[in-house]
Amino acid sequence: GESVGLHLPTLSVQEGDNSIINCAYSNSASDYFIWYKQESGKGPQFIIDIRSNMDKRQGQRVTVLLNKTVKHLSLQIAATQPGDSAVYFCAENNAGNMLTFGGGTRLMVKP
Amino acid sequence: SAVISQKPSRDICQRGTSLTIQCQVDSQVTMMFWYRQQPGQSLTLIATANQGSEATYESGFVIDKFPISRPNLTFSTLTVSNMSPEDSSIYLCSVETGGRTEAFFGQGTRLTVV
Repeated sequence: GESVGLHLPTLSVQEGDNSIINCAYSNSASDYFIWYKQESGKGPQFIIDIRSNMDKRQGQRVTVLLNKTVKHLSLQIAATQPGDSAVYFCAENNAGNMLTFGGGTRLMVKP
Repeated sequence: SAVISQKPSRDICQRGTSLTIQCQVDSQVTMMFWYRQQPGQSLTLIATANQGSEATYESGFVIDKFPISRPNLTFSTLTVSNMSPEDSSIYLCSVETGGRTEAFFGQGTRLTVV
């Protein structure tokens, strides 16, 4: 079946810089997207979500962008901090309440 | 939001045995889910735990291997049966509080099968 696709890169950024994590999805019927942060030894933690009737949504230091034309989702983290170091997953919802997760990106913040 | 407690947080088990993982939520929820996260990988949905009826399993997962209970709206268990080293993973319980919002996760159970 269709799935959210995200190769497994590791993104290394300098503390204070902005980070951009990308995700491609393949199911055009998906209408709800979520970014999760997973720290070592913990379950995924909700960061921000966006519905398909929006292109952009901002939170505290985070922004999610949705480009439905090319089925692309991105997470921008402003002024990245050491505490942002984690694995980040995008997830899509396209059939009721089921989530399909992407492969994850490891963010490493250098002090 | 919802606070989810999973037990045990980790275990090392002998092959051929079974382990039951418990998931307790601090509020009544309609939807509860069980995921598997293999080492260094993303989350894969095992099944949806339905209160009062059998769980709904995803492709590649069967009830005989992963029996699930959902006796009420705040509790569920996942059993990993007849374990082999390939079952070594993190198992995560998740809930949704309704309305197609974000899912909340427990801290996971790290299972190692030797």
